[in-house]
Amino acid sequence: DGGITQSPKYLFRKEGQNVTLSCEQNLNHDAMYWYRQDPGQGLRLIYYSQIVNDFQKGDIAEGYSVSREKKESFPLTVTSAQKNPTAFYLCASRKLDSSLYGYTFGSGTRLTVV
Amino acid sequence: DAKTTQPNSMESNEEEPVHLPCNHSTISGTDYIHWYRQLPSQGPEYVIHGLTSNVNNRMASLAIAEDRKSSTLILHRATLRDAAVYYCILRDQQGAQKLVFGQGTRLTINP
Repeated sequence: DGGITQSPKYLFRKEGQNVTLSCEQNLNHDAMYWYRQDPGQGLRLIYYSQIVNDFQKGDIAEGYSVSREKKESFPLTVTSAQKNPTAFYLCASRKLDSSLYGYTFGSGTRLTVV
Repeated sequence: DAKTTQPNSMESNEEEPVHLPCNHSTISGTDYIHWYRQLPSQGPEYVIHGLTSNVNNRMASLAIAEDRKSSTLILHRATLRDAAVYYCILRDQQGAQKLVFGQGTRLTINP
C-alpha cells in the first residue's frame, strides 16, 4: 500500500546535537511538507518542497534544514540552533496537478530533548 | 492566508449526527475549504473538501453557505472512532497551496 513513512516514531536528543528525521513516500507525490505541533496546538509549517532540489521556508524555519535530493524523500534536520525542539513532527505530501487531492500525512516523530 | 474560526470543543452522543461549524469571512474566490481530523498521537487525516457546492463522501458531508463565508462538516452518525480534533482550513489554489492549521475543534463522542 502507498503511504508516507516517518522514522523513528520516538527520538531523544541531547542538547547541542543535530538530529535528522526521515520522511519517505511512495505515492509519487510532487510536493512534500514538514510541520511541527506543540501540545494542544495546531500544526505550523517548517519547510516545503514542490520539486526535487528545491524547497522553501515555512513560517518557523529557523533552526531547521531540509534537502530534497529524491522525489520520494524529504529529511528534516533539527539543528542545535533550534531553541525549543521538543515537539511532534509531521511530514505530508500531495500531488500538485490536481485540486481533487488532499494532503497525506505520516504518523509523526515525537522528538524529546533530554 | 485567510483565517478560519471554529469552536474550541464540541460534544455529541454516539449514533447521532454532528454538525461542526467553521467561519471564514475573508475567504477569496480561489480558496478551497478543506477539513482534516487528527486522532491522538497521529497525523491529520483528510476528510473532505469543496469550493462552492455541497460535497458528500463516505466519511462526511460538507455544506457550504451560499456566500462561502461559512461551512459545516456533517458526520451523519457519529461513532466513538470519530472523536478527534477537526481542522477547517482554506487552501489557496494559487501559489504554493500551503495548508495553514488553526486550533481546530476537539470533538468528544459520548457512548
